Formats: sequence, C-alpha cells, structure tokens
Amino acid sequence: EVQLLESGGGLVQPGGSLRLSCAASGFTFSSYAMSWVRQAPGKGLEWVSGISGSGGRTYYADSVKGRYTISRDNAKNTLYLQMNSLRAEDTAVYYCAKDQGGNEDWYFDLWGRGTLVTVSS
Amino acid sequence: QSVLTQPPSVSGAPGQRVTISCTGSSSNIGAGYDVHWYQQLPGTAPKLLIYDNSNRPSGVPDRFSGSKSGTSASLAITGLQAEDEADYYCQSYDSSLSGYVVFGGGTKLTVL
Repeated sequence: EVQLLESGGGLVQPGGSLRLSCAASGFTFSSYAMSWVRQAPGKGLEWVSGISGSGGRTYYADSVKGRYTISRDNAKNTLYLQMNSLRAEDTAVYYCAKDQGGNEDWYFDLWGRGTLVTVSS
Repeated sequence: QSVLTQPPSVSGAPGQRVTISCTGSSSNIGAGYDVHWYQQLPGTAPKLLIYDNSNRPSGVPDRFSGSKSGTSASLAITGLQAEDEADYYCQSYDSSLSGYVVFGGGTKLTVL
C-alpha cells in the first residue's frame, strides 16, 4: 500500500528540540522529492521544508531557516525533520508530503495523516 | 498573511456551481508557475484535487475543474454535493526571496 506515516510529535517546552520521522512505503522513495507541511490549530497550510530525491538539495521556509533541518535515509525509506529552538508559534500538525513527479515539481499527491507538535511550558 | 489570497468562505446549495478564486502576484502565478488545488475534509489530511492549473488526478470527479489567467486562478465545482463541504487550498511556487512553495489561506466551502 502506498502510504506515509509520521511519528515523533509531542509536547515540548519552548527552546526545546524534537525530531519527526516519516516512513514511506509502496513507492520508490528515492525517486521523489519530499516536503514537510504544517497546519497550526484552526489555520491554513504552511510549507516548511523540502528535499530532493537524492537528499543533495534542501529548501526551507524563512520561518524555520536556521532552526529546522530536513534529511532523508533512502535505504530506510524515511524522511526526517529535526526541529530545534522551538517556539510557541511552531505548534501545528506536521504533515509529510510526496512530490507528484520526479523533477521537484513541488506539489503533493500523497500526504501522511500528520503528527501534532505542541510547544508549551 | 498568505502569499496567495483566497476568500475565507463560499457557499452554495446542492446542485449549484461555486467558484473559489486564488490571487497571486508577478512572483508566483503571474510569473507562469502552475497552480494546484487541495481539498481538506474535516479532520483529515489534504488531498490533491487539481494539478498544473487544470488537470485532475485519477479518481477526482469531473465536477471539479481549474483554470488560470494572469496572476489568478480559479477552482470551479459544479453539481455541488454535501460531501464537497471542506476547506480548499490553492498552491503555487514563488520566486521571491521568501520563495518556494506557497499556499493560499484556504476557503471554507459550506453546502447549504
């Protein structure tokens, strides 16, 4: 079955760190760019970060640049998001999303169910 | 404030036609970048509805259609059904300094 499954969310204090994982199955993971997209409670979608299929190119939204690091392990079919210096405004459901094409098209035909990150003291 | 502007809400009766607009600028839609649309049903992840302005993924009913002109794009839904009640988001690429992937703020569709 083609799917993405996120994990690693939870409650963390401001200034803390968290690492999200996204396990992919049912497709050739290394052939597709991947992204993280978040949604704050009751708010819209915000793209956070993207990575090329090989992992050699990474991209970040200004709101997380310097604090978040995206990476992937193609041998394990897993995408990661290391989040440091977390702030209250980072509270959101974080979705893992697969690029539709193989050319960093940057639109997403497969989404995970999301994992909730809550930053609060 | 989102880079792409959508109306916060639209509504229509069953069977009617509704449209949702998405207005961008010269650094995204107006620069020629494609527009994509997602449907998010309550409590679920977004689902790709329209890609590359007007293409439907397999399984998406032809009641959904998309178009693009200048710095704007539109999603049209005909023969409105109760199950269409959801949030709809447009998305494109932006070449400005804060660029890459940008979303609209989302539009809540209510089926009356």
